Amino acid sequence: KAGVTQTPRYLIKTRGQQVTLSCSPISGHRSVSWYQQTPGQGLQFLFEYFSETQRNKGNFPGRFSGRQFSNSRSEMNVSTLELGDSALYLCASSLGVVDEKLFFGSGTQLSVL
Amino acid sequence: GIQVEQSPPDLILQEGANSTLRCNFSDSVNNLQWFHQNPWGQLINLFYIPSGTKQNGRLSATTVATERYSLLYISSSQTTDSGVYFCAVGPYNQGGKLIFGQGTELSVKP
Repeated sequence: KAGVTQTPRYLIKTRGQQVTLSCSPISGHRSVSWYQQTPGQGLQFLFEYFSETQRNKGNFPGRFSGRQFSNSRSEMNVSTLELGDSALYLCASSLGVVDEKLFFGSGTQLSVL
Repeated sequence: GIQVEQSPPDLILQEGANSTLRCNFSDSVNNLQWFHQNPWGQLINLFYIPSGTKQNGRLSATTVATERYSLLYISSSQTTDSGVYFCAVGPYNQGGKLIFGQGTELSVKP
């Protein structure tokens, strides 16, 4: 069974631009969560989607948004990039019903210059 | 919100040694997981253990939910065990949301 796939692996953007990250969950998993990892703040929850609906949201500004498609694939968008958005963005999937064991992708390393 | 504290923050071991990592959390949870992040950044799920004890090879974990802590045991450590170990907890009725601790950075020397 294929794992969680995130693309691209690396991204370099400049301040003010926007970026879209993609995540394909494990087949059969209906929940996709996104996390931001930085050296200073550690791993922080961004949001979770389940059956195309946002089920939970973390404490991030509205510049961070996401969506989930009918095939459970998810995208995350960050608009008006700031230097502080430089981070490793990790996507995780789970069955999303009873067993909430999370499986993570390899992440997208975003650098904002 | 729920606070998650892990100890120790850093640990250096000789190959073959055993270790215990601890995770304390500040409120009741229905979801607790341990992860290992390797040097390439990949987070591997080690255990889903909201309560009780589980074992997987040289690793085992115990969660005492009533006392709000969990322990991860690593026996006969190997250099490939190096990396950062995270404990993460999930609040009730919040689906797949996890709150992570700051991690324990483990270095196993040959």
